[in-house]
Amino acid sequence: DQQVKQNSPSLSVQEGRISILNCDYTNSMFDYFLWYKKYPAEGPTFLISISSIKDKNEDGRFTVFLNKSAKHLSLHIVPSQPGDSAVYFCAAVDWRSQGNLIFGKGTKLSVKP
Amino acid sequence: DGGITQSPKYLFRKEGQNVTLSCEQNLNHDAMYWYRQDPGQGLRLIYYSQIVNDFQKGDIAEGYSVSREKKESFPLTVTSAQKNPTAFYLCASSIREINSPLHFGNGTRLTVT
Repeated sequence: DQQVKQNSPSLSVQEGRISILNCDYTNSMFDYFLWYKKYPAEGPTFLISISSIKDKNEDGRFTVFLNKSAKHLSLHIVPSQPGDSAVYFCAAVDWRSQGNLIFGKGTKLSVKP
Repeated sequence: DGGITQSPKYLFRKEGQNVTLSCEQNLNHDAMYWYRQDPGQGLRLIYYSQIVNDFQKGDIAEGYSVSREKKESFPLTVTSAQKNPTAFYLCASSIREINSPLHFGNGTRLTVT
């Protein structure tokens, strides 16, 4: 059973507009979340994280929002740029397994010029 | 430049052969990980090692083996017992600190025919 879910396999947005990538989780014990960005044939790179003691974390064009009651987080990219086109993975830290990450299946973002 | 090197980038093997994927890091990280990515899937943890000479099974360890004789190196052997070995394999490392993000290599794509 998937504990971290990214229900949208793909998302297409126009350059300059906002991209919103969503992630849901099932385990209320998860208290730290990370977003990774991955280009084809490359390894993922860390983008931004959020702790459950916060409901928002911002880094430049990237903002992550956490709604603990809904077990939902989202990554906002504003404004979107063509170079943002990649697969975005949401991950949760699982302290039952020594802090290893549980990843969602990813959302492929396409930003069109 | 510090980083994680995975070699080779592409690897082809015949069914029934064991194959070893290399992973070297010069980040002085204690923890190292192996993940597998299949199309449309998230990253699934194969093995991880928090310290030299110690390693633990992840979620999909069957058919794989690892060693951690040196801090910098964490090779993964895909054995003939692995039923579906064709995949993209990612190595990662991190410091042993709470919620520290993973740093990934650029992956090895293994094709077994």
